[in-house]
Amino acid sequence: DAGVIQSPRHEVTEMGQEVTLRCKPISGHNSLFWYRQTMMRGLELLIYFNNNVPIDDSGMPEDRFSAKMPNASFSTLKIQPSEPRDSAVYFCASSFAGEQYFGPGTRLTVT
Amino acid sequence: QQPVQSPQAVILREGEDAVINCSSSKALYSVHWYRQKHGEAPVFLMILLKGGEQKGHEKISASFNEKKQQSSLYLTASQLSYSGTYFCGTEYRAGKLIFGQGTTLQVKP
Repeated sequence: DAGVIQSPRHEVTEMGQEVTLRCKPISGHNSLFWYRQTMMRGLELLIYFNNNVPIDDSGMPEDRFSAKMPNASFSTLKIQPSEPRDSAVYFCASSFAGEQYFGPGTRLTVT
Repeated sequence: QQPVQSPQAVILREGEDAVINCSSSKALYSVHWYRQKHGEAPVFLMILLKGGEQKGHEKISASFNEKKQQSSLYLTASQLSYSGTYFCGTEYRAGKLIFGQGTTLQVKP
């Protein structure tokens, strides 16, 4: 299996622009997680889905952040409008039986 | 609710042992352990579940004290490849992991 796939790997954008991060989980996994990692705040859970349904979005920092999972093989995390403080590495992870498998991450820089 | 890891950093020589601890103030459903190398994604090491079940790599050992809500990761006969940052993730509710701040491990030749 190819593992969890994320795109883009790097994104540089200007403040105020819309950013969309994409994730393809491992086939057969029924849970999907979005994390954000920064030096200051560490690794934070933003939202997770089970069987394509959002279960807990309490980690989503603001209404500027939204996530969707239209089917079992695709999820997006959207930030609109983006701000410099959103700069971080965003990881997507998927799971079937507890252990989570992380994608390579998207490094987002908002200038 | 973030678990507390100790120590924050460890420096070892190859072949030495280390223990990393993870402590929670809330009752846990399970504890996960991950290792992250610089510039890479976290990689799963082990899950410890209430009731004693464990799933993970053969060369990694860990314990989970349900009464104290504490877990420890044991790294024995360390190798250079063990270097990285170790995170514990505590699961208070099925599916939702809260990660600790990480323990940086450096193994020197």
